[in-house]
Parts: sequence; structure tokens; C-alpha cells
Amino acid sequence: QSALTQPASVSGSPGQSVTISCTGTSSDVGGYNYVSWYQHHPGKAPKLIIYDVSNRPSGVSDRFSGSRSGNTASLTISGLQAEDEADYYCTSYTSTSALVVFGGGTKLTVL
Amino acid sequence: QLQLQESGPGLVKPSETLSLTCTVSGVSISSSSYYWGWIRQPPGKGLEWIGSIFYSGSTYYNPSLKSRVTISVDTSKNQFSLKLHSVTAADTAVYYCARLYGISWSLDSWGQGTLVTVSS
Repeated sequence: QSALTQPASVSGSPGQSVTISCTGTSSDVGGYNYVSWYQHHPGKAPKLIIYDVSNRPSGVSDRFSGSRSGNTASLTISGLQAEDEADYYCTSYTSTSALVVFGGGTKLTVL
Repeated sequence: QLQLQESGPGLVKPSETLSLTCTVSGVSISSSSYYWGWIRQPPGKGLEWIGSIFYSGSTYYNPSLKSRVTISVDTSKNQFSLKLHSVTAADTAVYYCARLYGISWSLDSWGQGTLVTVSS
């Protein structure tokens, strides 16, 4: 089972927007509307910020948005804030026996 | 309010078995909408899916770990457990338990994580 592909790092200045990609296959990202995104600050539990490709859980800022095109999902963070600096991971449902597959993670630096 | 708490030894010797338990409070582990999963993060690396279990006992493992992993559930104690056999230093990681929502396949609640070090 191959992990989903994410860029290792992205950066942006406060107020700007950044987009993180998550590329899979037709057996996961491209085949189902079950892509999720998580924010992970070191030493804390990961936090779900997007589910079902583009839905936000209650309480998550609308600065976070998700989309998908083909086998690639994307997370966009607008109006960057210092507190957004964290690691971001995507997951997808997969038709393999594992049920879930993770992306390798992307470190977001707010300059 | 839902809470998940990992527990178990923080130090395991190479070739032995790593054993962790996740205690779930605030909701029944027997809910038909949820699965219960284990994820780990080695130092300096990303999150890795280990596997999950349904309350009925059905299990789903990451193929890369499947030969060494056993996940079980104890509905009477509202707990589920992880066993990782024949560990090496590469299994040193923070181990998280989490709830997997079976409708959106998202991990909507996580434990705080526990560090397990494999060393003699």
C-alpha cells in the first residue's frame, strides 16, 4: 500500500493563501469522496479539519477549504495566521483491505 | 464527551511484543457507525496507519505491518488493543488511538498519544 503523495513543505506569509496537494490513485483519492485533512501541532493530537473532500467539522475556521480534481485532492488555507504553522496530513478511504491510507505529511511554515 | 486514552509500557526490548490499550470513555465502543484505529509517528517522520477494528472484531491492517500486528477489542471494558510483534528500533514511535467514522472514513477523535521506545 503506497502512501498518498504530499509536498514535504510549503510556506507563506501572514494573510496569504497556500495550497497543499495530496495525490493518490483511482483506488483511493480519485475513486471515493472520502478525503480528509488533519492539522498536527507537535506534541498534540492531530485535529480533523476537512472530511468528505470539502466539508468542515463544526468549529473549524472557514479559512480552511478542500477540493479534488481527478486523483489529486487539495487543501487551501487562506488568510494565513501564525497559528496555522503545523504539519498537515491527508487521508483517503482505500479499496484495499487497509480501509485508510495516509499522505506523507506537509510542513507548513508561516514566514 | 468522547475521550480516548492510550496506555502501556513506554519501553520495549527488541524482538519482544509491543502492547498498548486504548480506553474509550463517553461513548460505547459498540456503536455501528465507528471503527477504532491505531496510528503511529516515528521520530521526525509522518503519521502511519497501522490498522483498525470494528466492535464485532473485524480487523483491517496496513499491508506493510499486517504480518506483525494484532488489534483486538473488549466491548465489556470499552477498550481496544494493539499488539506489534517482533519489534525493532524502527518501531520506536508515538502511538495514537483514534475513532474512525465509518460514513466519511475520517478520524474524528484522537488520543493524546504515547511514546514507545524499542531499546535493550
